[in-house]
Amino acid sequence: GESVGLHLPTLSVQEGDNSIINCAYSNSASDYFIWYKQESGKGPQFIIDIRSNMDKRQGQRVTVLLNKTVKHLSLQIAATQPGDSAVYFCAETNTGNQFYFGTGTSLTVIP
Amino acid sequence: DVKVTQSSRYLVKRTGEKVFLECVQDMDHENMFWYRQDPGLGLRLIYFSYDVKMKEKGDIPEGYSVSREKKERFSLILESASTNQTSMYLCASSVLNTGELFFGEGSRLTVL
Repeated sequence: GESVGLHLPTLSVQEGDNSIINCAYSNSASDYFIWYKQESGKGPQFIIDIRSNMDKRQGQRVTVLLNKTVKHLSLQIAATQPGDSAVYFCAETNTGNQFYFGTGTSLTVIP
Repeated sequence: DVKVTQSSRYLVKRTGEKVFLECVQDMDHENMFWYRQDPGLGLRLIYFSYDVKMKEKGDIPEGYSVSREKKERFSLILESASTNQTSMYLCASSVLNTGELFFGEGSRLTVL
């Protein structure tokens, strides 16, 4: 099956700094990717997505970068805030129906 | 706002009991999913359904079954709960072939 992983299980950043969370995927046929945020005790929430015909997409304070050559996905959070502390997951799919998730990176924002 | 509702946030059951986890979505989505989430293992797909009365096995279906009698409701059933089924269970739904999964808040099951 697919293998979707993250380079680091934990990340600590100072409030106001930028955060970068990385994700590697193994299925070169994957055509849709999503980043989810999961706060303690809650279900994952959609942050941003990107399709394989793009290499960058920006949202509010977040940017997703896709490098299909090396099968790498990253999430950049600008001016990280305490409310950004959570676990972040990447997910990939090549069918639109079944997703595969990474194990998650726990982001801690230090005030 | 879109909503996926899981009926029980916390359950404690004994080994051998039958367990029902209910999930309802109000978005008229075709696809519904059940995942379990365990530390260090991420989200693993148990079963999914792309239509009423249809179901497909995910990556870890053993010990589980599902029921989808109505489009908005997808139930996960543990016929005989075991301690290794202690986990967080997440239900999700999506529009057919478009992607984004909408998740419920999760059901934390403890099997003693």
